Amino acid sequence: DVKVTQSSRYLVKRTGEKVFLECVQDMDHENMFWYRQDPGLGLRLIYFSYDVKMKEKGDIPEGYSVSREKKERFSLILESASTNQTSMYLCATTGSGDQPQHFGDGTRLSIL
Amino acid sequence: RKEVEQDPGPFNVPEGATVAFNCTYSNSASQSFFWYRQDCRKEPKLLMSVYSSGNEDGRFTAQLNRASQYISLLIRDSKLSDSATYLCVVNSAGGSYIPTFGRGTSLIVHP
Repeated sequence: DVKVTQSSRYLVKRTGEKVFLECVQDMDHENMFWYRQDPGLGLRLIYFSYDVKMKEKGDIPEGYSVSREKKERFSLILESASTNQTSMYLCATTGSGDQPQHFGDGTRLSIL
Repeated sequence: RKEVEQDPGPFNVPEGATVAFNCTYSNSASQSFFWYRQDCRKEPKLLMSVYSSGNEDGRFTAQLNRASQYISLLIRDSKLSDSATYLCVVNSAGGSYIPTFGRGTSLIVHP
């Protein structure tokens, strides 16, 4: 069974802080993704990575960056947190393109 | 990327009812299709893949209609525990692999 682990279930940070969300997978998958999910808006892709040190912007990359130094770990960074980044953040992973994604438990982030 | 559209619902049905959801997609090059279930404040979980010939898993049946570009999910004998949001996901061929999610259909099964 694929296991995708996100570092925190709940996180509270202050405006202007630099925030790190970590995601680790144990299945040697090439592709990893970061989404945010807000009521009525569905899942929106922030960034994804298809290999170590590779990254691609998704639909809403502004205010975020990512890091993929090791295959199993994909980090999402909020450079200077703002209140409109309060959301549920979901990490997902998949092997090949015809396979389904597997999600972590999610991090519910509040920016005060 | 092309859109994937779902009726947001909610679909409000009694226990034991049969309910069906459709999901339309606009990219004719789409290659693989999935249904996910998401409970309130939880992550999406894979319910089933959708195969060209249609497939069944217990009370759940998924079908693909490539000509009309939609997939469907049928739930028979609904249970209270089926109450959730159902997301359809479409993977397109070629280039970077990026799945496209629908916004989900809400199902409420009542006693």
